[in-house]
Amino acid sequence: AQSVSQHNHHVILSEAASLELGCNYSYGGTVNLFWYVQYPGQHLQLLLKYFSGDPLVKGIKGFEAEFIKSKFSFNLRKPSVQWSDTAEYFCAVSPWGADGLTFGKGTHLIIQP
Amino acid sequence: GAGVSQTPSNKVTEKGKYVELRCDPISGHTALYWYRQSLGQGPEFLIYFQGTGAADDSGLPNDRFFAVRPEGSVSTLKIQRTERGDSAVYLCASSLNPGLVNEQFFGPGTRLTVL
Repeated sequence: AQSVSQHNHHVILSEAASLELGCNYSYGGTVNLFWYVQYPGQHLQLLLKYFSGDPLVKGIKGFEAEFIKSKFSFNLRKPSVQWSDTAEYFCAVSPWGADGLTFGKGTHLIIQP
Repeated sequence: GAGVSQTPSNKVTEKGKYVELRCDPISGHTALYWYRQSLGQGPEFLIYFQGTGAADDSGLPNDRFFAVRPEGSVSTLKIQRTERGDSAVYLCASSLNPGLVNEQFFGPGTRLTVL
């Protein structure tokens, strides 16, 4: 069975700082990769996804993620964070051909103004 | 348009009781998913419906859990003989078609508390 590891459970940054949230997965075959975000009081929503092609994926709100197959990683990045980026971030994976997602435990990001 | 809705938003029950949780997917979405999120954890996949049939129920923890989608729209997650360990937020998601090319849209969840 596949699993997802998010290394940082709590991250506190100041506005305009750069962000990188780590995500590693364990699965030997082809996978689809996702980052979801949950803003305070809101539903989970998709930030970005990778299926194939260019390993550098751009999502909404200036976020991007890079798939490094050799490292089984899919780290999320943003060059300059804003106070409104305060949220819970979840990395998720699904083996090719499956539909259910396997999520990491999440990273709680707090941006201080 | 309306998103995924779930009722009730909160449910408190006693150990051993039976509960039903309802999910109303986005109109026209053929795929429907149930997840469970315990405190401090990410969502955990339970079951996936394509139309009326359960295409993958490998995440259901045991036979106390059952889900139906009789008309291919609304789905009900049923939990028999509830246990304190069933306390969690139960999330529902839907997508336009099967296959992960289509985004899963999540509902607000039902917070289940088993006393």
